[in-house]
Amino acid sequence: AQSVTQLDSQVPVFEEAPVELRCNYSSSVSVYLFWYVQYPNQGLQLLLKYLSGSTLVKGINGFEAEFNKSQTSFHLRKPSVHISDTAEYFCAVSGVDTGNQFYFGTGTSLTVIP
Amino acid sequence: DAMVIQNPRYQVTQFGKPVTLSCSQTLNHNVMYWYQQKSSQAPKLLFHYYDKDFNNEADTPDNFQSRRPNTSFCFLDIRSPGLGDAAMYLCATSRERGATDTQYFGPGTRLTVL
Repeated sequence: AQSVTQLDSQVPVFEEAPVELRCNYSSSVSVYLFWYVQYPNQGLQLLLKYLSGSTLVKGINGFEAEFNKSQTSFHLRKPSVHISDTAEYFCAVSGVDTGNQFYFGTGTSLTVIP
Repeated sequence: DAMVIQNPRYQVTQFGKPVTLSCSQTLNHNVMYWYQQKSSQAPKLLFHYYDKDFNNEADTPDNFQSRRPNTSFCFLDIRSPGLGDAAMYLCATSRERGATDTQYFGPGTRLTVL
């Protein structure tokens, strides 16, 4: 069965510091990986996705993620965060063995401290 | 320029009183999804429509029903809400239902059951 684990439920970080939000998945076959962001009182917005090709994926708002097949990870990074990055971040996986459904992690709440 | 719209944003109902949540889209996408998201949990897929074809998840309670009268609109009906149904309900759309198709989310409806 497919599963997604976001290892940190809450991540506080000072403004302009780097951040990494961790995501691990379990799957025995090819997967597609997504990061979504949910700002307060808004819907989920796609940050970036990995479908194939280069394992380093760049997304919106300066975020990037690296697909690591051997470690079954897809960690999200930003070299310098802003106050406006305060939000909930969700990792999701889909693939043939999920019936093409999206399975979401439980989310990581990023709080940027001024 | 809202693409996926959900109404109302906040809904309060009484235990056992039927309630309907609404979702509309301007993307002309074939697929519409309903997710339930409880506090500090991952969004959980309830069902989806591919055009007029309804697809229910195996573990979605019978208490939850859905209607899609046309491409643009989709409704979630909760026939007899229980206290455990209090949650955020997210509507999403995608062009197709392949594993690589990005899902676009609305802002959600927060349901409170008294």
